[in-house]
Amino acid sequence: DGGITQSPKYLFRKEGQNVTLSCEQNLNHDAMYWYRQDPGQGLRLIYYSQIVNDFQKGDIAEGYSVSREKKESFPLTVTSAQKNPTAFYLCASTSGLLSNQPQHFGDGTRLSIL
Amino acid sequence: GQQLNQSPQSMFIQEGEDVSMNCTSSSIFNTWLWYKQDPGEGPVLLIALYKAGELTSNGRLTAQFGITRKDSFLNISASIPSDVGIYFCAGETQGGSEKLVFGKGTKLTVNP
Repeated sequence: DGGITQSPKYLFRKEGQNVTLSCEQNLNHDAMYWYRQDPGQGLRLIYYSQIVNDFQKGDIAEGYSVSREKKESFPLTVTSAQKNPTAFYLCASTSGLLSNQPQHFGDGTRLSIL
Repeated sequence: GQQLNQSPQSMFIQEGEDVSMNCTSSSIFNTWLWYKQDPGEGPVLLIALYKAGELTSNGRLTAQFGITRKDSFLNISASIPSDVGIYFCAGETQGGSEKLVFGKGTKLTVNP
């Protein structure tokens, strides 16, 4: 089935540890996005990438890093610099800016602090 | 950054009732999207609107793109228990910003 796969579903981080969240899509989409969701809040954009080997900071990029080495993969690393990482992280993708196609989401990764 | 004001924040209704929620902004948008999110899952697209004044239906759901380009509403008719969830509006600003702006969501509870 075509879609967006996020893994793991649940992730725990120790103090001072970096963790990486996986996002893979087999939709042949050019653009991919990472959002953070906190309880009672809308989605906030962390990073996004329109093409391979290129990405831009979103509204809350501090403490996070990404890479886009392959079209189908857009991993997000939550670094130790992110002091409040507990949240639900959502990955999305779309055909691209000029396609006028809406973003579709994965099922999310819930990150908690040990 | 830009913000969308989504209301109401939560709704408690009886099965069979109609529901209406809306989003407003001080900025002009050229795309409005409505998503539904179930607990522990990612948002699922319900309706996409691309033209001012556009009225689009998806089953019992109807959404409209406001004429001013600064608002949108979503109606759900004859609600059923599986309509429970959080509904989000999202907009893309004029000029193609490559990014979506999301409302804070409307949490819907349907009592059987």
